[in-house]
Amino acid sequence: GQQLNQSPQSMFIQEGEDVSMNCTSSSIFNTWLWYKQDPGEGPVLLIALYKAGELTSNGRLTAQFGITRKDSFLNISASIPSDVGIYFCAGQRTSYGKLTFGQGTILTVHP
Amino acid sequence: DSGVTQTPKHLITATGQRVTLRCSPRSGDLSVYWYQQSLDQGLQFLIQYYNGEERAKGNILERFSAQQFPDLHSELNLSSLELGDSALYFCASSVATRGRDTGELFFGEGSRLTVL
Repeated sequence: GQQLNQSPQSMFIQEGEDVSMNCTSSSIFNTWLWYKQDPGEGPVLLIALYKAGELTSNGRLTAQFGITRKDSFLNISASIPSDVGIYFCAGQRTSYGKLTFGQGTILTVHP
Repeated sequence: DSGVTQTPKHLITATGQRVTLRCSPRSGDLSVYWYQQSLDQGLQFLIQYYNGEERAKGNILERFSAQQFPDLHSELNLSSLELGDSALYFCASSVATRGRDTGELFFGEGSRLTVL
């Protein structure tokens, strides 16, 4: 089946540092999305990308839809303690297809 | 608050038993999804319903079944439970139409199932 390879699996950073994570696939996706899951909560949508090459920002978060449509990147600038959580990428192959999720990146921010 | 309500929040049961998890989608959302999250498995798609009809099926075991009712709430039934079924079960809803699903899901807080 379709698989998304998300890396890194975990990150330990200092407050104020920038963070980068990415997601790759052997298949083409028409939609890429990034979700964040806080402890004890359900995932929350951060950014949705619908066009190859698209670069979208949401506050300190910036995500890009790779030009090959097989990858996506998420950057967090000037991290703060509340950025802690699990970040998931998700891809959708068609306009009505199911979402496939990556395995997640666990982010820890040290004050 | 995502607007998606899941009950119960926690459930402890024994192997071989059957449980039902309930989900109420956001007001106006016609599509409901069920995901399973285990410690080492990430978010695994189980099944999707759109306006009462099954729309997509993922890695859902034959021991599991789901349905979406006319009022759009959904139930996930898990039977002949095994230890490995212990997990967080998430329901999500979206503003899907008949021909388009944006992938923008709103998740509930999950139901944590522990099978002893």
